Amino acid sequence: EAQVTQNPRYLITVTGKKLTVTCSQNMNHEYMSWYRQDPGLGLRQIYYSMNVEVTDKGDVPEGYKVSRKEKRNFPLILESPSPNQTSLYFCASSLIGNTEAFFGQGTRLTVV
Amino acid sequence: GNSVTQMEGPVTLSEEAFLTINCTYTATGYPSLFWYVQYPGEGLQLLLKATKADDKGSNKGFEATYRKETTSFHLEKGSVQVSDSAVYFCALRGIQGAQKLVFGQGTRLTINP
Repeated sequence: EAQVTQNPRYLITVTGKKLTVTCSQNMNHEYMSWYRQDPGLGLRQIYYSMNVEVTDKGDVPEGYKVSRKEKRNFPLILESPSPNQTSLYFCASSLIGNTEAFFGQGTRLTVV
Repeated sequence: GNSVTQMEGPVTLSEEAFLTINCTYTATGYPSLFWYVQYPGEGLQLLLKATKADDKGSNKGFEATYRKETTSFHLEKGSVQVSDSAVYFCALRGIQGAQKLVFGQGTRLTINP
């Protein structure tokens, strides 16, 4: 089954404790991205990658890092989480171009 | 830059009512347009799409037509069901630059029996 898999689904952590949210896709997509969803703001892109070892900032990259060492995986790293990073996070993958994206189930992160 | 404006919610309707959720966009070039749906506790699923002017996307009784002259992509359904209760997002994606999906703020729809 074609899918995007994120882990964990829920995470509560403390300010400053490094964490990683994993994302994996099995559709051989070149394009992967991370979004955060906040009430009244819709989804905003954090980082994206158009291929292995090619990553770039989206609209809200501050406080986040990513890596793309393999085509299928695109982890999101929070080196020093802060409460304003409490949000619902989605990983997505797609082909290059103006095609639809496929989304993971989401990770609800709470930073206290 | 590209942007999407959606009708503000929440929207509450009775079962079998007619649904319209307005969506307008600003974009350079010829983006593709999408409606995504998010059911409670789940990720976003593609509901329908249109890739060029005058295309009509349809799925599960929902329809939307890509209107370049009015830069709109309104979502409609003739008779809603309780199971349609969800958050609906209008989005666009171009082929320039970052090729990111640009989303509207979402419209929460509740259908009462």
